[in-house]
Amino acid sequence: EVQLVESGGGLVQPGGSLRLSCAASGFTFSTYWMHWVRQAPGKGLVWVSQINTAGSTTTYADSVKGRFTISRDNARNTLYLQMNSLRAEDTAVYYCARSTTTFDYWGQGTLVTVSS
Amino acid sequence: DIVMTQSPDSLAVSLGERVTINCKSSQSLLSTSNNKNYLAWYQQKPGQPPKLLIFWASTRDSGVPDRLSGSGSGTDFTLTVSSLQAEDVAVYYCQQYHTSPWTFGQGTKVEIK
Repeated sequence: EVQLVESGGGLVQPGGSLRLSCAASGFTFSTYWMHWVRQAPGKGLVWVSQINTAGSTTTYADSVKGRFTISRDNARNTLYLQMNSLRAEDTAVYYCARSTTTFDYWGQGTLVTVSS
Repeated sequence: DIVMTQSPDSLAVSLGERVTINCKSSQSLLSTSNNKNYLAWYQQKPGQPPKLLIFWASTRDSGVPDRLSGSGSGTDFTLTVSSLQAEDVAVYYCQQYHTSPWTFGQGTKVEIK
């Protein structure tokens, strides 16, 4: 069974940093592109970032470019999102998702709250 | 960026009735190389992550009941629930995977009348 389990969310002050993790199991992690998608409270879905199978190619939404860094450890079957210079508008549930054609499996999400 | 616009924003329908959700993209999602539309539909229930329902505009994901169907091509797409069941109450999102950044519609909330 495919499982994606996010962790690392919490309350952080504006300008602070957080590192999210997504532990994958039930599939060959190293053969799939992975993504982060976020959802602000009561709002819609917004794609944040993606990484290729080897971790050599990354892409970001303009809203997080230069502040967030996606990475992966295929030996540990884990996806990461390093979030720096956090802003109030980054407050959201962050989901990791696997992609084949598109996002076919999603984790349960981890809540990030940016507030003083 | 490709803008995805859904209509309506919400609707309330009686059990057993038909539900139609529309999704319009600002650019064509049809690839001339493979004649496929790069459009997916997701269902999100309260407190849960999104669930993939349909990809390539009309291909149901494994386990998705056949009362849910997708249609359309180019810039205009439709998700249809042929006979609404209680478990279909959710927010539905369309999403394009034709051109990065991948973008979603704003969502359509489906409720029971």
